[in-house]
Amino acid sequence: DGGITQSPKYLFRKEGQNVTLSCEQNLNHDAMYWYRQDPGQGLRLIYYSQIVNDFQKGDIAEGYSVSREKKESFPLTVTSAQKNPTAFYLCASSIDAAQGTAKNIQYFGAGTRLSVL
Amino acid sequence: AQRVTQPEKLLSVFKGAPVELKCNYSYSGSPELFWYVQYSRQRLQLLLRHISRESIKGFTADLNKGETSFHLKKPFAQEEDSAMYYCALIDSSNTGKLIFGQGTTLQVKP
Repeated sequence: DGGITQSPKYLFRKEGQNVTLSCEQNLNHDAMYWYRQDPGQGLRLIYYSQIVNDFQKGDIAEGYSVSREKKESFPLTVTSAQKNPTAFYLCASSIDAAQGTAKNIQYFGAGTRLSVL
Repeated sequence: AQRVTQPEKLLSVFKGAPVELKCNYSYSGSPELFWYVQYSRQRLQLLLRHISRESIKGFTADLNKGETSFHLKKPFAQEEDSAMYYCALIDSSNTGKLIFGQGTTLQVKP
């Protein structure tokens, strides 16, 4: 099953702890995204990255951090500053915006469910 | 401000009945809109996009700029259509960011 792999599937965080969610893609996509999914609120963008070594804050970046050291990897760290981390986290990727009509279609991972102990 | 609104949290219909999932948007210019679907225990996936003007799994969606709507329709619902449906809009910043609606759960009863 290629495409986008998120791990772990379930994650538990203790008070004051930072946790890191993994997202790897083998689609050779340039852009990657992190969303948070909460019931009744849809998907909200946390961070995104259009190229390696560059990333931008989304709508709800506070309490989160990311890195993009490799094209295929875009890990998300949920820091202790995020006071309400319990949610379903989705990673997505899309082809370079310069690739004509194929651009803007995002492909999603299976998600990581984060809970607080 | 750019926004997507899906007014119904839950839509429940019987098998064989017509389905319309509503989506309204706020956008200056020419929007690019999508419908994504999430079946139970499956990942979120693209259902259709308005620029393709195609029918997928019997679903169609027409962009109505006058009413700023992009409703998803199917003439005869099937039980396997039961899922969460999200309407989404591409952000105008040319970064590929998607703006999602709140989602509508479609429940098709036998």
